[in-house]
Amino acid sequence: GAGVSQTPSNKVTEKGKYVELRCDPISGHTALYWYRQSLGQGPEFLIYFQGTGAADDSGLPNDRFFAVRPEGSVSTLKIQRTERGDSAVYLCASSSGGGETQYFGPGTRLLVL
Amino acid sequence: GNSVTQMEGPVTLSEEAFLTINCTYTATGYPSLFWYVQYPGEGLQLLLKATKADDKGSNKGFEATYRKETTSFHLEKGSVQVSDSAVYFCARTPTQGGSEKLVFGKGTKLTVNP
Repeated sequence: GAGVSQTPSNKVTEKGKYVELRCDPISGHTALYWYRQSLGQGPEFLIYFQGTGAADDSGLPNDRFFAVRPEGSVSTLKIQRTERGDSAVYLCASSSGGGETQYFGPGTRLLVL
Repeated sequence: GNSVTQMEGPVTLSEEAFLTINCTYTATGYPSLFWYVQYPGEGLQLLLKATKADDKGSNKGFEATYRKETTSFHLEKGSVQVSDSAVYFCARTPTQGGSEKLVFGKGTKLTVNP
């Protein structure tokens, strides 16, 4: 079966623009997670969904960031008014919930010029 | 807090050497503990995990034991191979039964030379 997929793999944008990053979880996984990984650092938690609802969004850095998962499968991370400091690799993971193993996608590398 | 501190790299070893990468966590509750590995050009993969004190996780010759008394989860391998070259991340959940988010260490880059 397919793993977690993320699109695009790379995104270059200009400061102030809006971007959307997409995550397709493993089929049947109810939990979906977004992390951000800056160069030389470990991944930092942003938000996680259980089904369609955000169970914990405590990692979102500010109100420019939000994420949706309207049908409980695919999720989109949306960043408004991008800033150069938003440049990072955005990772998505999914699991069957209840503390089970999180499986990570390959990430989207975002570069804000 | 819910932090993880792991040994800073980079670590360079010769093939067949013994590997230890230290990881300690802050003692808030009873977290689950993980080691993830990121091979060059690939995504994060779970290497092993332990969910309660004294558990030992093992996979691909790697081992780590959940030590509550020292709040540690050190990664070990008796004989490393060139193919083990990667970045290794220690991670924890905040508390057992709490949020499912993972808190990661900064990563340790391992290079194994033939």
